[in-house]
Amino acid sequence: EPEVTQTPSHQVTQMGQEVILRCVPISNHLYFYWYRQILGQKVEFLVSFYNNEISEKSEIFDDQFSVERPDGSNFTLKIRSTKLEDSAMYFCASSESLAGDDLYEQYFGPGTRLTVT
Amino acid sequence: LAKTTQPISMDSYEGQEVNITCSHNNIATNDYITWYQQFPSQGPRFIIQGYKTKVTNEVASLFIPADRKSSTLSLPRVSLSDTAVYYCLVGDNDSSYKLIFGSGTRLLVRP
Repeated sequence: EPEVTQTPSHQVTQMGQEVILRCVPISNHLYFYWYRQILGQKVEFLVSFYNNEISEKSEIFDDQFSVERPDGSNFTLKIRSTKLEDSAMYFCASSESLAGDDLYEQYFGPGTRLTVT
Repeated sequence: LAKTTQPISMDSYEGQEVNITCSHNNIATNDYITWYQQFPSQGPRFIIQGYKTKVTNEVASLFIPADRKSSTLSLPRVSLSDTAVYYCLVGDNDSSYKLIFGSGTRLLVRP
């Protein structure tokens, strides 16, 4: 079964450093997402991406965050200057169908655990 | 987006049927009801989606009464590996790409 993959599985960084989290969505999917989950808390939507542009973003997704699809297969989340409170699991997801179809399912990757020290 | 309310946790035993009910009193006409499962340190996984009445797949059944103000996820004959957090999501499939997760129901299956 096709799956979303993410690298690295765990990233440790110092406060103020830039990190790039990488995702390879399912190959025929057109819609891509990032979510995060702080330990013990809810899964929170960050951003959605379609046709090489951001479709929607949450208030969490401020200027320190950016997303890119650099080469047609990878989908990246960059955090420019990490803060302690950015420590979380970051999940990438992708979907084939546009919301509005009868069955709408997002496929999630295994996540990257980001630890900011 | 309609708000959902689920029990915080449930306990069950292997082989039992588990029913998790979700309340969504202000569900809108266009909203679908979707359930996701999340194991520790893994991403959420889609289980089932429905609009009304009953939907069944190889994993679960979803029961939705006529007023659609609640829904029940039914897991037949649970095993230890069904221990996870189960999320009920309600959303308009037409207007937004994002999934809004609540706190979910933490299901513990005991031997």
